[in-house]
Amino acid sequence: GNSVTQMEGPVTLSEEAFLTINCTYTATGYPSLFWYVQYPGEGLQLLLKATKADDKGSNKGFEATYRKETTSFHLEKGSVQVSDSAVYFCALSDPGGGNKLTFGTGTQLKVEL
Amino acid sequence: EAGVAQSPRYKIIEKRQSVAFWCNPISGHATLYWYQQILGQGPKLLIQFQNNGVVDDSQLPKDRFSAERLKGVDSTLKIQPAKLEDSAVYLCASSSSDRANTGELFFGEGSRLTVL
Repeated sequence: GNSVTQMEGPVTLSEEAFLTINCTYTATGYPSLFWYVQYPGEGLQLLLKATKADDKGSNKGFEATYRKETTSFHLEKGSVQVSDSAVYFCALSDPGGGNKLTFGTGTQLKVEL
Repeated sequence: EAGVAQSPRYKIIEKRQSVAFWCNPISGHATLYWYQQILGQGPKLLIQFQNNGVVDDSQLPKDRFSAERLKGVDSTLKIQPAKLEDSAVYLCASSSSDRANTGELFFGEGSRLTVL
């Protein structure tokens, strides 16, 4: 079945540092890939997505590229801010459609001054 | 625009008791989802509704969990009787028909259940 593996946290960075959160997936067919973010006290919200190989999703300075050859969708940001502190979830949608998402376990990011 | 509303936010019960969670999706969203998030794990889909019909309940433990969306709007998720392993955050999400197959779900803040 489908699965998503992401790096364990917490990840602690200083403000303005470079961020990478690794995500790899296993799926039959060609799923769409997503990063969701959960800020403290809030619900999960979609951060970015990519629907086919070599697509790059981007939002709020974050980027991730759909790499079919390595089955990866790593999240990156060039300069993190304290306000980026949150839990980040990698997810894929069932290639059969229907918005059925499979999530990774989440990676907590803490950004310090 | 109001977001997805869930209640209660927190609930503590003893094993073998029952509990119910309520969800009000974003107005006009036809699809509603219930996810279970156990500590240290990612959210897992329990059930998906399209209007008031069930699309997918393959991972719902039907011997103790039930869910309904009678009028195609609000939904209730019930657990009876609860087990220790049901301790989790129960997330409700919704999506609109014109965003079908986009993966864009809108989540509520969740209902945290502790079973003692």
